[in-house]
Amino acid sequence: DIVMTQSPLSLPVTPGEPASISCRSSQSLLHSNGNTYLDWYLQKPGKSPQVLIYLGSHRASGVPDRISGSGSGTDFTLKISRVEAEDVGVYYCMQALQNPRTFGQGTKVEIK
Amino acid sequence: QVQLQESGPGLVKPSETLSLTCSVSGGSISSYYWSWIRQPAGKGLEFIGRIYSNGDASYNPSLKSRVTMSVDMSKNQFSLKMTSVTAADTAVYYCARDQVGTGSKHFDYWGQGTLVTVSS
Repeated sequence: DIVMTQSPLSLPVTPGEPASISCRSSQSLLHSNGNTYLDWYLQKPGKSPQVLIYLGSHRASGVPDRISGSGSGTDFTLKISRVEAEDVGVYYCMQALQNPRTFGQGTKVEIK
Repeated sequence: QVQLQESGPGLVKPSETLSLTCSVSGGSISSYYWSWIRQPAGKGLEFIGRIYSNGDASYNPSLKSRVTMSVDMSKNQFSLKMTSVTAADTAVYYCARDQVGTGSKHFDYWGQGTLVTVSS
């Protein structure tokens, strides 16, 4: 299985400030078709996960443009340019290159 | 707006079979892939497997010997069966629509999740 490793696991943030989460995969997520199969999900407290970013950098419908995904190969980053209160929750990266899909451990984002 | 709703027993005895159904509304189950993901309390997410609307299924190798998924087009539902459950299978089980057919492979719609506890 592809192992996904996130850091940090806990991220206290100040509203209005930027935040960044790192995700590394144990092997490249670049497919021969040119797509990079890395997604980001946010699980708000008591809720189901929701997709934020797919294919590494494609923002899902309804996701504000202050949230962005970048990276390639094995190193990926989720950035929030200005944190808002609604951004609290646990962020997961997930690889969709190989079966089984595997998730990172999660990064808990909370307001300071 | 597509909506998914999981249903099934919340309590299953050890060694018995866990059975869950996901009902899809606001859209057809046809021509899409559908997945199951689970999350033990306070822990991360684990992919269980996915099924296409024609019944073709792919499972997590770690669970493959115990898992079976099926589709009921007439009811716009898909199902999960997991045999020989143990306490380690206690988790919130989510169903989700899987965009693997479009090439992006992300989960764009999720159910609210259902807690299944394995206990005698």
